[in-house]
Amino acid sequence: QKEVEQNSGPLSVPEGAIASLNCTYSDRGSQSFFWYRQYSGKSPELIMFIYSNGDKEDGRFTAQLNKASQYVSLLIRDSQPSDSATYLCAASGGGADGLTFGKGTHLIIQP
Amino acid sequence: DAGVTQSPTHLIKTRGQQVTLRCSPKSGHDTVSWYQQALGQGPQFIFQYYEEEERQRGNFPDRFSGHQFPNYSSELNVNALLLGDSALYLCASSPGTDANTGELFFGEGSRLTVL
Repeated sequence: QKEVEQNSGPLSVPEGAIASLNCTYSDRGSQSFFWYRQYSGKSPELIMFIYSNGDKEDGRFTAQLNKASQYVSLLIRDSQPSDSATYLCAASGGGADGLTFGKGTHLIIQP
Repeated sequence: DAGVTQSPTHLIKTRGQQVTLRCSPKSGHDTVSWYQQALGQGPQFIFQYYEEEERQRGNFPDRFSGHQFPNYSSELNVNALLLGDSALYLCASSPGTDANTGELFFGEGSRLTVL
């Protein structure tokens, strides 16, 4: 059974600080990892994806992958109130394999 | 550029009934996936369609079936509805077979309530 684990939160971070979101995955065959943002009552929106060990940066967002530890993280720098949402971590084995999502971490950015 | 569109947005059914949900993928996308998201949970993969065929299926019973049409639009059918089928049903599209199918564009979903 493939699983992706996330702390459900809520994670409260002051505006302007760095928000750190983490997840672990059970299937060592997972090849690709994704972070989706979901605002309340809305559908998920892709923020970042990462395939290789190390860091990948895109604007204020940095995704980190450590396949040996089966660990994925998302850092959000200069957090804004608009970043308040649920962040879903997902893993895929590639090809037609559907995504396995975690339950999501509820992030609150305090003004 | 139209994104992924789903219909209906909300619907209420009773146990034992059948439901059909519809999805039109984003322009240029030919692969459609369906996910079920219960309240407070992450989306769960139901199945994926490409070239009018089911390519992969998640851990869902045969009561859940689907179809993809030549114009790439798709339907999700659920028979013999149970209370536990109450959820947000999300359609997601992606481009092509070689593209990483995790880079999904989601529709706004169809919220199904089973009474």
